[in-house]
Amino acid sequence: AQSVAQPEDQVNVAEGNPLTVKCTYSVSGNPYLFWYVQYPNRGLQFLLKYITGDNLVKGSYGFEAEFNKSQTSFHLKKPSALVSDSALYFCAVREGTGGFKTIFGAGTRLFVKA
Amino acid sequence: EAGVAQSPRYKIIEKRQSVAFWCNPISGHATLYWYQQILGQGPKLLIQFQNNGVVDDSQLPKDRFSAERLKGVDSTLKIQPAKLEDSAVYLCASSLNGRPYEQYFGPGTRLTVT
Repeated sequence: AQSVAQPEDQVNVAEGNPLTVKCTYSVSGNPYLFWYVQYPNRGLQFLLKYITGDNLVKGSYGFEAEFNKSQTSFHLKKPSALVSDSALYFCAVREGTGGFKTIFGAGTRLFVKA
Repeated sequence: EAGVAQSPRYKIIEKRQSVAFWCNPISGHATLYWYQQILGQGPKLLIQFQNNGVVDDSQLPKDRFSAERLKGVDSTLKIQPAKLEDSAVYLCASSLNGRPYEQYFGPGTRLTVT
């Protein structure tokens, strides 16, 4: 069965510093991996996806994520955090072949301090 | 382009009452999803429609939850009777046919069952 783990409930980082939000996954086939962000009182917004190809994928708002097959990880990164990046971030996985269901992690709250 | 619309935004009911939520997906999006997001957890897929057919409803509590998408556009999700544990945000999402990895979410309906 597919699953997603986000080991940190909260990540704190100072503005201007690099940030990393961790995600590990488990699927039986090739994974499709995603990151979504949720701002207060707003719906989830799609940030980026990995389907195939280059292990480093770039997304919205300067975010990127690195797919690591051997470590079954898909960590979200940004070189320089902004206060406005403070939000709830969800990692999600979908089995690449024949899988219909997207499984979301529990979420990691990112707090960027000015 | 208009986003996914949901109504109502908030609903408070007593246990054993019934409630219905409405979703209007992005125009042209054949796939529609209903998710349940309990506080502190990631979204959990309840049901997925492809046009007006059900693709996956394995996690829908069918003794009390029902959903329909009669004309392949709008959808309603109903709970009858509600339980305290149904308190959650109910998210509707849609995606283009063949692009299930880019789901667009509505703002959600926050349900409180007292």
